[in-house]
Amino acid sequence: SQQGEEDPQALSIQEGENATMNCSYKTSINNLQWYRQNSGRGLVHLILIRSNEREKHSGRLRVTLDTSKKSSSLLITASRAADTASYFCAGGRGNNRLAFGKGNQVVVIP
Amino acid sequence: GAVVSQHPSWVICKSGTSVKIECRSLDFQATTMFWYRQFPKQSLMLMATSNEGSKATYEQGVEKDKFLINHASLTLSTLTVTSAHPEDSSFYICSAGKTGGRANYGYTFGSGTRLTVV
Repeated sequence: SQQGEEDPQALSIQEGENATMNCSYKTSINNLQWYRQNSGRGLVHLILIRSNEREKHSGRLRVTLDTSKKSSSLLITASRAADTASYFCAGGRGNNRLAFGKGNQVVVIP
Repeated sequence: GAVVSQHPSWVICKSGTSVKIECRSLDFQATTMFWYRQFPKQSLMLMATSNEGSKATYEQGVEKDKFLINHASLTLSTLTVTSAHPEDSSFYICSAGKTGGRANYGYTFGSGTRLTVV
């Protein structure tokens, strides 16, 4: 069963705007990871936040984790056309496995 | 950085034939690799965990005899779709973590294989 579940979104924004997407999960996780996937390609790891962390930054990315609500959010600031992709969250579980959510399609309009 | 090479990137095969997909870690050793399946506009579903030198661990509902996994070395895992049928058509992606696991550091993914069974 899938661990992470994003609010299904198809987000369309103008270049320069911020993009926010959310993810919820059902069971315990060791960490929460976000990945980007360009159409028909593999996944690229963006950022990982551990279960004992609340917020983390990496460049234009900001991720939050609320373990009490079992939810996470990913914010991409000052979006660029190259940010157009699908974004997945994944819960890190035992045995080093990941459970992926449904994904958010983000389109950044130049 | 860690690089995972997956080959082929796409393959078309006839129904009833078998197809082998390779996943190689190019600049690191991976005791564990993972195989996922992804349908169009859907998420990744973990199929199995490939363990170097031992049998793969399959997720519930995944047929072991249908999807044969071999992880004979620390840099190579293969997924063979046996007696493929049109319903096996999908996007298959592998991922790998460095020896000792990378659950706390993120995984490196291959570029995926688009399988079409006709």
